[in-house]
Amino acid sequence: AQSVTQLGSHVSVSEGALVLLRCNYSSSVPPYLFWYVQYPNQGLQLLLKYTTGATLVKGINGFEAEFKKSETSFHLTKPSAHMSDAAEYFCAVSDRASGGYQKVTFGTGTKLQVIP
Amino acid sequence: ETGVTQTPRHLVMGMTNKKSLKCEQHLGHNAMYWYKQSAKKPLELMFVYNFKEQTENNSVPSRFSPECPNSSHLFLHLHTLQPEDSALYLCASSIDRGLTDTQYFGPGTRLTVL
Repeated sequence: AQSVTQLGSHVSVSEGALVLLRCNYSSSVPPYLFWYVQYPNQGLQLLLKYTTGATLVKGINGFEAEFKKSETSFHLTKPSAHMSDAAEYFCAVSDRASGGYQKVTFGTGTKLQVIP
Repeated sequence: ETGVTQTPRHLVMGMTNKKSLKCEQHLGHNAMYWYKQSAKKPLELMFVYNFKEQTENNSVPSRFSPECPNSSHLFLHLHTLQPEDSALYLCASSIDRGLTDTQYFGPGTRLTVL
């Protein structure tokens, strides 16, 4: 079974500082990896995803993530944090379930706090 | 409206009540999902529907009963719930069942069971 581990349930950064949210995955096959963001009182929204090809993936709102197979990692970064980035971020991996559907396994989430 | 909508946004119910959660997607997607989001736990997949057919019941107690009358609507019928069922219930949809498909989420229903 595939799984993801997010290191740090809470991360605080100053406005303008680098954002780094860590995600490690466990998969027996080449993984399909996602980052979703959840703003307060909202559902999850896709930030970016890795399927195949280029290992550096760019997403919305200036975020990007790099797939590193040797490290089984898919860390999310943004060069300069903005107050509007305060939210909870979820790393996820997709697999084919026995019923033939897409089963997405989510991490426990990292809450990002941005300090003015 | 666009996207995925859920009603009600908040629900408080007693353990003996019967209520239903509604989800509607306006994206023309074929697959719909119910997830449970509890504090400090990963999202738990509950049910999956594809073209109105249930393809997964992820060991969910029978006090949760899903219904998918068409590919745009999904319901979750609740009865005799327990306090530990209090959580945020999220509906999602995707265009199909592809492994790289993006899931689009509604805002959720915050359920409190007294």
